[in-house]
This record gives sequence, C-alpha cells and structure tokens, in this order.
Amino acid sequence: QQQVKQSPQSLIVQKGGISIINCAYENTAFDYFPWYQQFPGKGPALLIAIRPDVSEKKEGRFTISFNKSAKQFSLHIMDSQPGDSATYFCAASTGGTSYGKLTFGQGTILTVHP
Amino acid sequence: GAGVSQSPRYKVAKRGQDVALRCDPISGHVSLFWYQQALGQGPEFLTYFQNEAQLDKSGLPSDRFFAERPEGSVSTLKIQRTQQEDSAVYLCASSFRLGTGELFFGEGSRLTVL
Repeated sequence: QQQVKQSPQSLIVQKGGISIINCAYENTAFDYFPWYQQFPGKGPALLIAIRPDVSEKKEGRFTISFNKSAKQFSLHIMDSQPGDSATYFCAASTGGTSYGKLTFGQGTILTVHP
Repeated sequence: GAGVSQSPRYKVAKRGQDVALRCDPISGHVSLFWYQQALGQGPEFLTYFQNEAQLDKSGLPSDRFFAERPEGSVSTLKIQRTQQEDSAVYLCASSFRLGTGELFFGEGSRLTVL
C-alpha cells in the first residue's frame, strides 16, 4: 500500500536553479515528515524535517512547505549545486515512539548540471 | 567508528541458503531499525528495537526473516532459505532514543540471491 506518493521520479536542474520535489500522503495519523538525501552506495541521511503544526521550515538552501488540508508537502532546494545531485526521499511517521518507523516515498533522482 | 557499521557490505547467496547481516549502531543509541531497500525504491520498514526489546516486527515479509539484538547493542538480521525476491539492500539505522525522528543509517548490506 503506497501511503506516500512522491513526484517527479527524476529531475534535471541547472546550477543555481530551484529544485522542487512533491509528496502526498494518505494517512492522517502521520505526524512527522522528514526528507532524506541518499548518494549512490550510501545510506540515507536526514536533510530536514517538519511537524504539522507549522506550514514552512527553512534550513539554509532547503525549505519544506507543508499543506495539512491537502495532505501534501514539498522540498525546495534553492540555488541548486552539482553537489546536490542525489536521490531524495520524503517520508512520514505517526510520531510518539514510532517516529523512526518511517514510510518512504519512491524517491526522486536529482541531477544538477554545472 | 563514529557511524553505523554494517557487514558484510555485499553478500551473494544461492537460493535456499541462510544469511546473517550484522549491524553495529552508534554507541549510546538505544533504538535500532532495519529497513529493506529494493533497487530504485524507497526503504521499507522491517523491524525496530529499543535496547534488546523488539517492539515492532510488523514489516518482516515472512517468517523466514528474524532479527535479534540480545545485548541491546549489535543486531543481526537473519534470513533463512533465501529466495530471489529477498535480493535488496538491507539498511540498519540507529537513533539516540525512541521518540526522536532523526535516524542515522549505515551504508547497507547488499544481498544478491542467485
């Protein structure tokens, strides 16, 4: 059962451009929404996360926008750099002792051209 | 080391063989998670521990999969009578405590079943 749907599957952006990745979820019990970055041959690494009591969170060049009524959230990468080229996963969990029990999206392969 | 360590990094098994995958979490992390990542997909939750207690094993795909963490530190994921559909990267992650969202992932063990 696909509870977190992610789009697009792949994304090509020029250096300096904005990368936008979208996710939609179905389970209204989800309470925690992280984004993970994964390089080839490596494990995922937490990039930024948000809880549904705020609509936006910014950390450096990375921003999460959250729309609770639409059950959607997105990752914006400003001033994209070639080093940002990686696979990005959105995820969700129900919180409490289950914060780490994540349901991941299918991933977006981001390529930033120099 | 400072990160989550997994071994072996690569394992080739013949169908029907048993395999054991080891995870050494970050020192002091009480929570440990196992995820399965098929090629081109997002990680899928298998099971998690708080110290030596296995609190949730709802993601284990069949009774051929077994995980343990007897002393609350190192964990082993065992797969009996491997099948081709078991081919995947098995990711281990740890966190300082339950209730915190940030998971620290290892680089994974890539299992190929022939």
